[in-house]
Amino acid sequence: ETGVTQSPTHLIKTRGQQVTLRCSSQSGHNTVSWYQQALGQGPQFIFQYYREEENGRGNFPPRFSGLQFPNYSSELNVNALELDDSALYLCASSLRAPNTEAFFGQGTRLTVV
Amino acid sequence: GQSLEQPSEVTAVEGAIVQINCTYQTSGFYGLSWYQQHDGGAPTFLSYNALDGLEETGRFSSFLSRSDSYGYLLLQELQMKDSASYFCAVRFSSGSARQLTFGSGTQLTVLP
Repeated sequence: ETGVTQSPTHLIKTRGQQVTLRCSSQSGHNTVSWYQQALGQGPQFIFQYYREEENGRGNFPPRFSGLQFPNYSSELNVNALELDDSALYLCASSLRAPNTEAFFGQGTRLTVV
Repeated sequence: GQSLEQPSEVTAVEGAIVQINCTYQTSGFYGLSWYQQHDGGAPTFLSYNALDGLEETGRFSSFLSRSDSYGYLLLQELQMKDSASYFCAVRFSSGSARQLTFGSGTQLTVLP
């Protein structure tokens, strides 16, 4: 039990729709990172938020966007869904210091049909 | 960019010892982490090496050689419940962000 919770756990959307995924960080953690994990692959970094600002971004198009709130919870928004967006979306919370571990939530399984 | 290489699959029997190797290329390197992930579950942190040498945590140990850009995870006294995917991940700085980049994972199967 990491203290990081994500909702919903599963979601089915139609191509072209928009989706919002949510993440509550572990208490005291000020940094949230989002990852996309396709089947059989390692998690791929989408972006990171620190103090409500985007703090780093991976190789994902602008239709992937996010927010971090004052209580450090976070949202991942994906517009114009494509079939290839089907994946497990993971949220990880941590402190900003470099030598601290990241704790992952259970993820949201998104299926785009 | 960053790249990591690790074997895709490893098979061993209960009670045995297995080593999962990881080589990496990155700039702004802070350290090497290892995560375990069971099917359908979240990645769970196992260990972290920031300095050269061996870190031991119970049945699991992790090693890092920064000069060789190489590390490994050693699992001893294997149990059936250790069957899972294991990921190495580099921690690095990119601008003001501290990020993790994961390898593709090693599927460990423990046989009775």
